[in-house]
Amino acid sequence: EVQLLESGGALVQRGGSLRLSCEASGFTFSSFAMSWVRQAPGKGLEWVSAISGRGYSTFYVDSVKGRFTISRDYSKNTLYLQMNSLRAEDTAVYYCAKDLRMGATLDAFEIWGQGTMVTVSS
Amino acid sequence: DIQMTQSPSSLSASVGDRVTITCRASQSISSYLNWYQQKPGKAPKLLIYAASSLQSGVPSRFSGSGSGTDFTLTISSLQPEDFATYYCQQSYSTPPITFGQGTRLQIK
Repeated sequence: EVQLLESGGALVQRGGSLRLSCEASGFTFSSFAMSWVRQAPGKGLEWVSAISGRGYSTFYVDSVKGRFTISRDYSKNTLYLQMNSLRAEDTAVYYCAKDLRMGATLDAFEIWGQGTMVTVSS
Repeated sequence: DIQMTQSPSSLSASVGDRVTITCRASQSISSYLNWYQQKPGKAPKLLIYAASSLQSGVPSRFSGSGSGTDFTLTISSLQPEDFATYYCQQSYSTPPITFGQGTRLQIK
């Protein structure tokens, strides 16, 4: 069974840092691009960042460029999101998501994790 | 960035009704349009990809159509478990991937 399990969400002060993790299982991790998508309380979905299957390409929404870094560890089948200089507007549930098609990047999101909550206090 | 606009923002319907949700892109996205269902406290679920392809395991009462800038999600006969929020998403001109604002489908 394909599964994604996020962890690392917490309450953090404005300007602080946090690293989210997403452990993948049930598929060939290196064959699929992965993304982070967030949802602020009571709001819609916002794509945050993506990384290609082999990790050669990374992408970010403008609002997090220079502050967030996406990466992946193939030995651990784990996706990461390093978040620095956190702002109140980064408060959200963060989901990791697996692309639908092998070899594609920034595709439909076939599988989602359960989400992890990040709260930035001001 | 491509803007995605859904209509309506909310909708009340009854079990057994036929429901249509519309998504409009600010420029042509060919058929790079995907639909998701999200229930409260849960992660989104992929329903339709490439505008009209039904994701594996999704009931056939869900269907999608459209190309270019205008797309629709249709539920042919609403079931109790279909009451949720629906999002469209474009994967044509990226980054960034962009979502519609969501359509909340409520029980009448």
